[in-house]
Amino acid sequence: DTAVSQTPKYLVTQMGNDKSIKCEQNLGHDTMYWYKQDSKKFLKIMFSYNNKELIINETVPNRFSPKSPDKAHLNLHINSLELGDSAVYFCASSQGGPTFYEQYFGPGTRLTVT
Amino acid sequence: LAKTTQPISMDSYEGQEVNITCSHNNIATNDYITWYQQFPSQGPRFIIQGYKTKVTNEVASLFIPADRKSSTLSLPRVSLSDTAVYYCLVGRMDSSYKLIFGSGTRLLVRP
Repeated sequence: DTAVSQTPKYLVTQMGNDKSIKCEQNLGHDTMYWYKQDSKKFLKIMFSYNNKELIINETVPNRFSPKSPDKAHLNLHINSLELGDSAVYFCASSQGGPTFYEQYFGPGTRLTVT
Repeated sequence: LAKTTQPISMDSYEGQEVNITCSHNNIATNDYITWYQQFPSQGPRFIIQGYKTKVTNEVASLFIPADRKSSTLSLPRVSLSDTAVYYCLVGRMDSSYKLIFGSGTRLLVRP
């Protein structure tokens, strides 16, 4: 009965590769997010989708492309991976549009680029 | 968006009450104050949210003075399992603001 799930949990890859991270939520929420948490533990929002529409698009390299096939899924594709992309990526969801209130986070995907 | 300032770390002992204060001098009229908790290797978890005065739930209390320029998260009788990072966030409830988590306060609860 996992609320927000992400796959894979760990991802080790080489520079220049392309990889995807998948996220699914079974809470019936209409808003989903991608966050990046770096080694210093700062958690920064990257994207937010509301009803499959991109609402928040922070200043991230265009190598990062989110895709929301439906309200329950939000995937993150990363092209031409760089060392600086190494981080933990969290997916989250909430109800009723981007909000601080009761976001539910997934377990995270630890991406290591070598 | 109102910037927040929290202590980087705090230490406590089991059974004590812990109060974590967050400063947000530039808070706007429409801003709410929200706290999240993050355990190692997990995503953040919503704890509590408030606008003014006091809010209490089964996990914590949130105290907000009249000027709303600060807020205090109060954890009653902490246990070892409360060791985590606590984030204070300030922002509007609608869709027009940016969502920023600060560096948080790392709470260590000792036996």
